[in-house]
Amino acid sequence: NAGVMQNPRHLVRRRGQEARLRCSPMKGHSHVYWYRQLPEEGLKFMVYLQKENIIDESGMPKERFSAEFPKEGPSILRIQQVVRGDSAAYFCASSPLVQGKGTEAFFGQGTRLTVV
Amino acid sequence: TQLLEQSPQFLSIQEGENLTVYCNSSSVFSSLQWYRQEPGEGPVLLVTVVTGGEVKKLKRLTFQFGDARKDSSLHITAAQPGDTGLYLCAGFNAGNNRKLIWGLGTSLAVNP
Repeated sequence: NAGVMQNPRHLVRRRGQEARLRCSPMKGHSHVYWYRQLPEEGLKFMVYLQKENIIDESGMPKERFSAEFPKEGPSILRIQQVVRGDSAAYFCASSPLVQGKGTEAFFGQGTRLTVV
Repeated sequence: TQLLEQSPQFLSIQEGENLTVYCNSSSVFSSLQWYRQEPGEGPVLLVTVVTGGEVKKLKRLTFQFGDARKDSSLHITAAQPGDTGLYLCAGFNAGNNRKLIWGLGTSLAVNP
């Protein structure tokens, strides 16, 4: 059972370009979370999705950022017109349907975005 | 508002010492998870605690969930350089749309 897969691991974009980050959740997991992490900082929640539905996007910047989790295929975090401040590690986690007390989330290895 | 407060923020100790890090909240959590993150990698799940007062051991690591399910601690015995990393606690707050809530982490450095 493969873990959470993120690609690419490293992404370099020039200012103004678009960045697309992909996350394939663990098999059987229907919920995906995206987080951003700056160097020496903790994880900052961005968005929480289940298939074809955004449950909570309270951590998403209001402009240039969007996320989707289609019925088929990976979840995509899309950043349009990237700026240097978007440079960070972006982590995806997945969990099964949140039921009961013991639900756990598992993380991918992240995509490190560098905007030059 | 940070719902999960972790302390200390930074900790640097010598190999062989014992340490405890804390994860506190004023809210009740249905479960709490502890993760360790090493530089350049994603967080790796260490343990989940579910029941108030629960104690779980993972080799030299001992995790405890507070009786009221508002706090948790991680105790490491005889720390080793391989324990170095960022320790994060996270929990599902059933009253908050089931979003995983995170602390900011304790950065631990174990010096040989």
